[in-house]
Amino acid sequence: GDSVTQMEGPVTLSEEAFLTINCTYTATGYPSLFWYVQYPGEGLQLLLKATKADDKGSNKGFEATYRKETTSFHLEKGSVQVSDSAVYFCALSDPSNNDMRFGAGTRLTVKP
Amino acid sequence: DAGVTQSPTHLIKTRGQQVTLRCSPKSGHDTVSWYQQALGQGPQFIFQYYEEEERQRGNFPDRFSGHQFPNYSSELNVNALLLGDSALYLCASSLAYTYEQYFGPGTRLTVT
Repeated sequence: GDSVTQMEGPVTLSEEAFLTINCTYTATGYPSLFWYVQYPGEGLQLLLKATKADDKGSNKGFEATYRKETTSFHLEKGSVQVSDSAVYFCALSDPSNNDMRFGAGTRLTVKP
Repeated sequence: DAGVTQSPTHLIKTRGQQVTLRCSPKSGHDTVSWYQQALGQGPQFIFQYYEEEERQRGNFPDRFSGHQFPNYSSELNVNALLLGDSALYLCASSLAYTYEQYFGPGTRLTVT
């Protein structure tokens, strides 16, 4: 079945460092891909999305490009801030299913 | 515009008891999905409701049941609680046949 594999954490960076969190997927159809962020004690917030190959999702300085040839959707940010500390989840939604499949999450800690 | 709301915020139950969790979708949304998020893991799909019927179900036992009301709000019921049911239960709403889901803050269930 469809699945998402994302880079294991935790990831610890200094403020203003470059961030990459790897995400790859397996799907039989043509899924939409998402990154969600979860701050401590809260639910999930949609960070960005891409619905077809070569689409680039972006929001709040974060970017991810839907790469069909490598089945990847890596999350990047050029300069992280302390406020970016959270758990990041990669997810996919396939039109043949009505559920969303999530990766295990990557905890990011940014130190001043 | 109110987002997805869930109640209660926290709940403590004893093994063998039954529990009901509630969710109100984002205004204008007609589809509600429920997820279980164990500590340190990504959310796992339980089921989805649309037009007051269960449209799809994940790999969860029949102890997990749900309901959707005419106003699109939803309940998740869990019978014969086990210690392993302790988790954050997330509700997400969406428009039918769209990919993007909006999550509530979750209900933290602890089974002792």
